[in-house]
Amino acid sequence: AQKITQTQPGMFVQEKEAVTLDCTYDTSDQSYGLFWYKQPSSGEMIFLIYQGSYDEQNATEGRYSLNFQKARKSANLVISASQLGDSAMYFCAMRMITGANSKLTFGKGITLSVRP
Amino acid sequence: KAGVTQTPRYLIKTRGQQVTLSCSPISGHRSVSWYQQTPGQGLQFLFEYFSETQRNKGNFPGRFSGRQFSNSRSEMNVSTLELGDSALYLCASRGDSPRGYTFGSGTRLTVV
Repeated sequence: AQKITQTQPGMFVQEKEAVTLDCTYDTSDQSYGLFWYKQPSSGEMIFLIYQGSYDEQNATEGRYSLNFQKARKSANLVISASQLGDSAMYFCAMRMITGANSKLTFGKGITLSVRP
Repeated sequence: KAGVTQTPRYLIKTRGQQVTLSCSPISGHRSVSWYQQTPGQGLQFLFEYFSETQRNKGNFPGRFSGRQFSNSRSEMNVSTLELGDSALYLCASRGDSPRGYTFGSGTRLTVV
């Protein structure tokens, strides 16, 4: 079974500063993918970044980067130069790559508030 | 290209009724999966359909069912609604890439 843990309470960051959102995971599989999604109050889940378990480089997508530490089973999201529009819930998720099971397992999420 | 379309956006139903939610995936995507999001339980996987076949199912009672049509559009049905079924129901479509999940805006169901 897979498990995602997001334990930070609501996070606050000053506009234009960087912030790190923590995510740890547990799985016995070797081949998996890790995701971060943003969910604003409208409800839509917006894809931010993806890291495959065999990817040697940490993933980056614009202002988002993923600090992937495989041995520690952590996949922290770093948002650089925070903007007011970054205020939202952030979810870490994973899926197994092998087999037909493409279910996403989500963490509980972290609320991020960006202060002007 | 058009995104994932979920209809309706909002629904209010009475206990005991049934409801059908619809999801139109991105053109060319054959996989559609459904998730329930509640404040207490978070995001939970309901089921996944691929080429009209249910491929995976989460741990939900039989009141929750779904289907997928030949054009990949999917519906989920909840019968005998309970207050605890009040939730945001999200649909995701996926292409061939392992990272390629795209979510719709969700249907917010309120059971009174």
